[in-house]
Amino acid sequence: QSALTQPASVSGSPGQLITISCTGTSSDVGNYNLVSWYQHHPGKAPKLIIYEVTKRPSGVSSRFSGSKSGITASLTISGLQPEDEADYYCCSYAGSDTLLLGGGTKVTVL
Amino acid sequence: EVQLVESGGGLVEPGGSLRLSCAVSGLTFSDAWVSWVRQAPGKGLEWVGHIKKGGAADSAEPVKGRFTVSRDDSKHTIYLQMNSLKTEDTAVYFCAHNAGHYDDIWGYFLASWGQGTLVTVAS
Repeated sequence: QSALTQPASVSGSPGQLITISCTGTSSDVGNYNLVSWYQHHPGKAPKLIIYEVTKRPSGVSSRFSGSKSGITASLTISGLQPEDEADYYCCSYAGSDTLLLGGGTKVTVL
Repeated sequence: EVQLVESGGGLVEPGGSLRLSCAVSGLTFSDAWVSWVRQAPGKGLEWVGHIKKGGAADSAEPVKGRFTVSRDDSKHTIYLQMNSLKTEDTAVYFCAHNAGHYDDIWGYFLASWGQGTLVTVAS
């Protein structure tokens, strides 16, 4: 199984809205509404920010939202803030207890 | 609050072995499903393997036959035994708690993560 496809980098100015895509196949992203997203500041523990495509864990800012269409899931960050500068990874259930991770997207706040 | 703390990383020569530990607290450990995920220098996250409640374990193709995930419920600890190490296994290794239950599918997202432990394979 290949990793899910994400853009290597996305940038935006403070206050802007950005979207990160995550493309899989009909066997993973397209087959299950079980996509999750993680924020990773280098040197720290990755943090779950979205699960089951659209759900936010308690304590995660409402500026983070998720969606899915077909084989592509998306993470949207609205009102971009300096502390959002990090690496973001998508993940999808792929059947048979397998999780497939994306290659990661570096978000830069200009 | 669920907490995971990795330990055991270090420098090892190619062909050598290392055992990582992941101490878990804040949940019913015997029910816990835990994964190992690694990040090589300059690369993204890569799932390495997992172990479910009861002890059923699996690992990714690049490490299958070399890495083994196990658990000691009495110590609330998950292990990653790494044998026949290669330079490309150099990475920060994270353990993470699988969560989620939907229909008959379990553990489809990684709810909590540790800070990671660095493994360097070099001569």
